[in-house]
Amino acid sequence: GAVVSQHPSWVICKSGTSVKIECRSLDFQATTMFWYRQFPKQSLMLMATSNEGSKATYEQGVEKDKFLINHASLTLSTLTVTSAHPEDSSFYICSASLRRVSDTQYFGPGTRLTVL
Amino acid sequence: DQQVKQNSPSLSVQEGRISILNCDYTNSMFDYFLWYKKYPAEGPTFLISISSIKDKNEDGRFTVFLNKSAKHLSLHIVPSQPGDSAVYFCAASADSGGSNHKLTFGKGTLLTVNP
Repeated sequence: GAVVSQHPSWVICKSGTSVKIECRSLDFQATTMFWYRQFPKQSLMLMATSNEGSKATYEQGVEKDKFLINHASLTLSTLTVTSAHPEDSSFYICSASLRRVSDTQYFGPGTRLTVL
Repeated sequence: DQQVKQNSPSLSVQEGRISILNCDYTNSMFDYFLWYKKYPAEGPTFLISISSIKDKNEDGRFTVFLNKSAKHLSLHIVPSQPGDSAVYFCAASADSGGSNHKLTFGKGTLLTVNP
């Protein structure tokens, strides 16, 4: 149980384009989904927290107009990187939790974004 | 200010022996602690967790110990296997108003289990 998928697993795009990453909880309904970014040899950096049907809460320093998050259902959240630049190249990971049970987060496999 | 610290960036252990991964925290509001295992280019995998009302939780080869007075927790892996080689992240959360139940991660410890 507690499987989270991400799509795509990797994407290469040109500067200025937008990229959408999907995160799905496959076998449970996630009350909360989280989006992280990981730089090489660094820890996970939380970007934003999203609850189904409400606006995402962004961490300090994360541009909400650049990283659009939509959490339309209890099993799907999307992250759209708008007007991507090479410095947005990173490993993006989502997680999902069923907060009524515990704070345990179950992570997706991650998406490698490369902006040329 | 790093609230969750894993002071050992790496640890090397012989197969069959015990691996002990350590984690310290500074926020006394943390009341739930987790360990995750991560391979390169993959998302973290949940291993084991412990609530602050306990001091030990065991699951197969994995045991987590919590010392609240010292604000310290450790993960024991016995016996260690080569497949355990990965980066291990310690994480903590606070069940307090406004925390949004976020996880705060340490920087990770790279465990290498040698055959």
